[in-house]
Amino acid sequence: GAVVSQHPSWVICKSGTSVKIECRSLDFQATTMFWYRQFPKQSLMLMATSNEGSKATYEQGVEKDKFLINHASLTLSTLTVTSAHPEDSSFYICSATDTLGVWTSGRGAGELFFGEGSRLTVL
Amino acid sequence: GESVGLHLPTLSVQEGDNSIINCAYSNSASDYFIWYKQESGKGPQFIIDIRSNMDKRQGQRVTVLLNKTVKHLSLQIAATQPGDSAVYFCAEGLSSASKIIFGSGTRLSIRP
Repeated sequence: GAVVSQHPSWVICKSGTSVKIECRSLDFQATTMFWYRQFPKQSLMLMATSNEGSKATYEQGVEKDKFLINHASLTLSTLTVTSAHPEDSSFYICSATDTLGVWTSGRGAGELFFGEGSRLTVL
Repeated sequence: GESVGLHLPTLSVQEGDNSIINCAYSNSASDYFIWYKQESGKGPQFIIDIRSNMDKRQGQRVTVLLNKTVKHLSLQIAATQPGDSAVYFCAEGLSSASKIIFGSGTRLSIRP
């Protein structure tokens, strides 16, 4: 099956620094990628939708100037947490698909592929 | 960002018994629903999905039931095994798009 890779899998940084997390689709072209944030013992919260070659669409309450998303190619999207603070410490997860609508042509949500997540700890 | 609930209840089940995990979804317009399994420190793993034109769908050892009237979704796992221990999330979305919103999640623990 398709694989989505995230890097780094974990990162520790000092408060005030910026951290970049990569999300790569390894064997398919990801026209759309999604970024989620997950705090301990909580659900995944959608942060933004990233379409290749265009600006990301952020969910309500997510600061676009703090969480910079770039989707410059069909296989790579990056999330940069700028001026990170301890409250930004979280598990960041991306998902990717080559399908606009997951039920197109009878395909299902199994066509949404998730990365293994990146754990960010801000000291 | 959107989130459907922030609580993480726990379901404890005897090994070999059937598990039933429930979820209430929020958006009446959602027309497809998915169940994911998440193990500690990993990303979500797709289990099964269902469209709103169905009320039941079966997979290998799993069954998803959908009740649109009360906006309720359930996941049934037959003959629960130790490897089923994880957090289970329901998610909802629109079939015209790939964006999905996750529900609150339930931790499933297996008693030997």
